[in-house]
Amino acid sequence: GESVGLHLPTLSVQEGDNSIINCAYSNSASDYFIWYKQESGKGPQFIIDIRSNMDKRQGQRVTVLLNKTVKHLSLQIAATQPGDSAVYFCAENIQETSGSRLTFGEGTQLTVNP
Amino acid sequence: NAGVTQTPKFQVLKTGQSMTLQCAQDMNHNSMYWYRQDPGMGLRLIYYSASEGTTDKGEVPNGYNVSRLNKREFSLRLESAAPSQTSVYFCASSPRWGRNTIYFGEGSWLTVV
Repeated sequence: GESVGLHLPTLSVQEGDNSIINCAYSNSASDYFIWYKQESGKGPQFIIDIRSNMDKRQGQRVTVLLNKTVKHLSLQIAATQPGDSAVYFCAENIQETSGSRLTFGEGTQLTVNP
Repeated sequence: NAGVTQTPKFQVLKTGQSMTLQCAQDMNHNSMYWYRQDPGMGLRLIYYSASEGTTDKGEVPNGYNVSRLNKREFSLRLESAAPSQTSVYFCASSPRWGRNTIYFGEGSWLTVV
């Protein structure tokens, strides 16, 4: 029989190229955002975060850009390496009357070709 | 640094069996969480403990119970496992509840047959 599965968006890049991974978030009141990296068989690993009062934040080889006008977040990875191959997903902190909580996107599969 | 440690890594259960997933963190964090991750669904919050002595339901609490044993430990119990609970489970912690980075364990792969 034929199996049907849900597939993540994918991005394939050459080693040494820059990668840009995008995320659209849902709530205009979200005030905090995080990017995670998840390698196969492992737990999500924190990469970088950004608060809503900023539009750019840089880390080591990574930059996060926040565009609140269109509710868009991006992760830029400079000089992508094979070890960067993983699923990347964003999380947004949503403020609710009962408090705040993080919600997670499904992710993008990044494949780095040597 | 161990960070967040969860056990077991893999488990196969028969429908109706019970089991407990154990989790401990050594970062002196106040808040702890249990998530499940399923294809196409992203991470979904099962239960959380904002601070020692408190627990609350998340998005998908049905069929689960939790215990915040102390500041370090937060366990997840399946009283009567169902095939729909086949998933990857992640324990996580953060310094406090709210606008905070959450740090995850390595995951527990659970299959219910």
